[in-house]
Amino acid sequence: GAGVSQSPSNKVTEKGKDVELRCDPISGHTALYWYRQSLGQGLEFLIYFQGNSAPDKSGLPSDRFSAERTGGSVSTLTIQRTQQEDSAVYLCASSLARSGIGYEQYFGPGTRLTVT
Amino acid sequence: AQSVTQLGSHVSVSEGALVLLRCNYSSSVPPYLFWYVQYPNQGLQLLLKYTTGATLVKGINGFEAEFKKSETSFHLTKPSAHMSDAAEYFCAVSAAYSGAGSYQLTFGKGTKLSVIP
Repeated sequence: GAGVSQSPSNKVTEKGKDVELRCDPISGHTALYWYRQSLGQGLEFLIYFQGNSAPDKSGLPSDRFSAERTGGSVSTLTIQRTQQEDSAVYLCASSLARSGIGYEQYFGPGTRLTVT
Repeated sequence: AQSVTQLGSHVSVSEGALVLLRCNYSSSVPPYLFWYVQYPNQGLQLLLKYTTGATLVKGINGFEAEFKKSETSFHLTKPSAHMSDAAEYFCAVSAAYSGAGSYQLTFGKGTKLSVIP
């Protein structure tokens, strides 16, 4: 079946511009996660959605970052007023439920964001 | 709080040799443990996981890992390296209890495996 898809695969933007990154999870997966992968920081958790519950935004690095999930499916990560330190690969993952009860997270191919 | 330490950011082995990638975790209670592999310009793929039960876990592509609570370790091994194993490997943990923050994965820094022909 189809895996997690993300778009765009690559995004180059100028400093100060806003960007939107999209994630399409595996059908039927109720949990959705965003992570950031950068050379300096490795893989970092950003935000978590589970069903209709309020998202856990504890990993978002600043208030320039926000995310929403519409209809319990597609999610959009928005970065406002991008900075060069936002350059990274943004990975989306989905799972049947939280990984803490053994459901593994399935990752998309990522969006490589470059801020010039 | 949980943390993961992967010893060796880069490991080189000869084709056919044993692969050993080290992972140690820090957690107040034994967590759930995962190994993921990442090929260039791709997302992460699950190799294997430990939740409960048998401490020796077998995964895909001939990899296995053993959970050792006394050593807080979850090292990844493969008896014979293949050229196609060249990739970056990440060890990760998640909490084995419910509650805030229990679902996110905490990753190690990764180990890049090179296989020499």
